[in-house]
Amino acid sequence: DIVMTQSPDSLAVSLGERATINCKSSQNVLYSSNNKNYLAWYQQKPGQPPQLLISWASTRESGVPDRFSGSGSGTDFTLTISSLQAEDVAVYYCQQYYTTPSFGQGTKLEIK
Amino acid sequence: QVHLVQSGAEAKEPGASVKVSCKASGYTVSSYAMHWVRQAPGQRLEWMGWINAGNGNTKQSQKFQGRVTITRDTSASTDYMELSSLRSEDTAVYYCARAHASGSYLIDYWGQGTLVTVSS
Repeated sequence: DIVMTQSPDSLAVSLGERATINCKSSQNVLYSSNNKNYLAWYQQKPGQPPQLLISWASTRESGVPDRFSGSGSGTDFTLTISSLQAEDVAVYYCQQYYTTPSFGQGTKLEIK
Repeated sequence: QVHLVQSGAEAKEPGASVKVSCKASGYTVSSYAMHWVRQAPGQRLEWMGWINAGNGNTKQSQKFQGRVTITRDTSASTDYMELSSLRSEDTAVYYCARAHASGSYLIDYWGQGTLVTVSS
């Protein structure tokens, strides 16, 4: 099984500042035949199910603000929120879908 | 618009079984696989298994092999997840979650979640 490890576990950022969350997979999730990284990011607010933000490591879903961006390849990935808004307070999870799904432990993002 | 509506909260005793339903709307159910994911208190999201589109084949995580049964009633646009031999560690919110495409492990829509509490 592929193990996903996020850092940090929690993060406090001032409004308008940049937030960066890292995700590392125990195995490569880049599929060589199509050169795609099988890595997604989700946002989960209290009492709600996760919401897909980014797929293929860097493709924003429809309706997701452009302050959210994803980067990385192979085993190391990053979710960046360029200018933190109050509504971005949530727990963020990475997930690999190269094989049967596995998720990171989550990163709790708060306002400083 | 895709909607996944799950059945209500359940309270079960250890050793019992629970069956959670997930009614889909806004798309053709038979064209998409459905995953089941759970989230125990303070724990990460955990994939349990899925039912694939078309042939209805299922696959379970090794952790739940023999305890989880996933079925589909295409006529009712409803999927089901049954977990047996419940123990206290199974207390969690259980989600159905649609695969982005047939055969895909990418999840794009989630149900609202069903809280299952296992306690004597």
